[in-house]
Amino acid sequence: ILNVEQSPQSLHVQEGDSTNFTCSFPSSNFYALHWYRWETAKSPEALFVMTLNGDEKKKGRISATLNTKEGYSYLYIKGSQPEDSATYLCASPTNSGNTPLVFGKGTRLSVIA
Amino acid sequence: EAQVTQNPRYLITVTGKKLTVTCSQNMNHEYMSWYRQDPGLGLRQIYYSMNVEVTDKGDVPEGYKVSRKEKRNFPLILESPSPNQTSLYFCASSPTSGIHTDTQYFGPGTRLTVL
Repeated sequence: ILNVEQSPQSLHVQEGDSTNFTCSFPSSNFYALHWYRWETAKSPEALFVMTLNGDEKKKGRISATLNTKEGYSYLYIKGSQPEDSATYLCASPTNSGNTPLVFGKGTRLSVIA
Repeated sequence: EAQVTQNPRYLITVTGKKLTVTCSQNMNHEYMSWYRQDPGLGLRQIYYSMNVEVTDKGDVPEGYKVSRKEKRNFPLILESPSPNQTSLYFCASSPTSGIHTDTQYFGPGTRLTVL
């Protein structure tokens, strides 16, 4: 079974701080890396899908990078706001033949005003 | 509005009483999936379906059944629920099967408690 790991498990930052967290995955047989944002009492929502080594994606104050050779992705949040408080999940497909995603356990971010 | 719906949103039941959680999507998606979320664990896949009449086991299928008779619906059936199936359940869909870059769209979740 594909192992997708995320660190840290949880994070508390002050409003205005920038922060980042990590998703690691096996570098062999890599197909894609997904990031989702999951707010409490809501459904997970897609942030990014990344496929190429060196890929960098950005959405507002949130960006992500991908290193497929060493098997990690970073998610960055610039100038954290209380509304950024959520659990951030990364996931990777098990193989190219179908699309079951294996999810990490998530990083729970709390932004303190 | 494009969406994935689940019903019920909350359910408290007793051990052994069969139940079904419905999932429906209005986006004509091929792929549908059920996950459970438990504290300290990631989203774990229960079953998935790549198209009508095509279903397969995920990582934690024991105690669950599914069916995919129509493209839009993918119900999750617990024939004889047990307390270890108390969890938060999510249904998800994505446009195509076999495309690893497809984003998954999640339903609102069903919180199930089995006493």
